[in-house]
Amino acid sequence: DAGVTQSPTHLIKTRGQQVTLRCSPKSGHDTVSWYQQALGQGPQFIFQYYEEEERQRGNFPDRFSGHQFPNYSSELNVNALLLGDSALYLCASSFEGFNEQFFGPGTRLTVL
Amino acid sequence: AQKVTQAQTEISVVEKEDVTLDCVYETRDTTYYLFWYKQPPSGELVFLIRRNSFDEQNEISGRYSWNFQKSTSSFNFTITASQVVDSAVYFCALLYMDSNYQLIWGAGTKLIIKP
Repeated sequence: DAGVTQSPTHLIKTRGQQVTLRCSPKSGHDTVSWYQQALGQGPQFIFQYYEEEERQRGNFPDRFSGHQFPNYSSELNVNALLLGDSALYLCASSFEGFNEQFFGPGTRLTVL
Repeated sequence: AQKVTQAQTEISVVEKEDVTLDCVYETRDTTYYLFWYKQPPSGELVFLIRRNSFDEQNEISGRYSWNFQKSTSSFNFTITASQVVDSAVYFCALLYMDSNYQLIWGAGTKLIIKP
């Protein structure tokens, strides 16, 4: 049984560009949450998707958007990238909300 | 405001010592959940425990134990007889249940277990 997978592993972009990160949840999970983790800090909650809708959102600007597909996989889109968007982006899946979350290995985004 | 404080930035102990990681939280809600996660050097966060605000019973799982005290708003984590494999960053997190519930994370404690 595959766990949570994320792609790509690493990504380098320049300021102003747009990026799409992808996540496949663990089998049987219906909820996907996205987090941003800056170096040496705890994760910051971006948003959570359930039944293809954004159910909860943290304090992130509208440049951060997402989508969940019928197969429960999810995408995180970030527009107009800023240097401060450089971080590890983590995807977590769970069954019905913030129960035990299983995390993927993350996507390391570097904005130059 | 909702907040999680892990005051210990880094702890270093010798293998087989017991170690306690502190977590202090702030919330006005009466219903909330507390979590501990482990982030080993590989980077993938691993769930350790979830505790709801109505259950103050301490929990033990092998060498791990958790002490939840609502009176001091603390949810501390103790590793008994630490091992080198316990070396990781440990995060405490708070899920509060208002209209826009979300998971608030502490800054983490880096635990170094020396052989």
